[in-house]
Amino acid sequence: NAGVTQTPKFRVLKTGQSMTLLCAQDMNHEYMYWYRQDPGMGLRLIHYSVGEGTTAKGEVPDGYNVSRLKKQNFLLGLESAAPSQTSVYFCASRGQMNTGELFFGEGSRLTVL
Amino acid sequence: AQRVTQPEKLLSVFKGAPVELKCNYSYSGSPELFWYVQYSRQRLQLLLRHISRESIKGFTADLNKGETSFHLKKPFAQEEDSAMYYCALAYNFNKFYFGSGTKLNVKP
Repeated sequence: NAGVTQTPKFRVLKTGQSMTLLCAQDMNHEYMYWYRQDPGMGLRLIHYSVGEGTTAKGEVPDGYNVSRLKKQNFLLGLESAAPSQTSVYFCASRGQMNTGELFFGEGSRLTVL
Repeated sequence: AQRVTQPEKLLSVFKGAPVELKCNYSYSGSPELFWYVQYSRQRLQLLLRHISRESIKGFTADLNKGETSFHLKKPFAQEEDSAMYYCALAYNFNKFYFGSGTKLNVKP
């Protein structure tokens, strides 16, 4: 049982390049989230999804797009990467029960030069 | 708007000393509050939630609506408690907002 898996774990991009981060969960969870973690700022919510086919903006959505075509996958896209998007990205998911427990991936470290 | 504030970036205590990690929140409704922990080389994970009024690994947290606080406490810190601690606030259990985190260092 893998839980929440993020790929890739590390990536270096040049300014202006595009890439997609994939989050996959095998727990049949409805809700999925993308956060970025920066020193001194904690985790900030980028986008989230409350179910297949739905997405919504979080605190810092600019420069990112997301898609939830399949329930188990939540993709985070950077169309034109900028150095300000250098960060560690975390995906999380949770089930229907309102327990407040988010299950996190291991994180993806992205560097934009 | 800052919804969750953790004023301390780093908290160092000696083993056996009491520890209190501060968390203040701003929310007009009934808050759902949580503490998450990230141990070295491990995933971020739920430590405890205020609605359960539970004690996990000796940690407790009391919601004080008057002071809008949800401080995490433990009477006797252990070295294995060294980790990054995040306070989190949930809006309708859809959006989860995290504070900036406090690194707890328990010295032997």
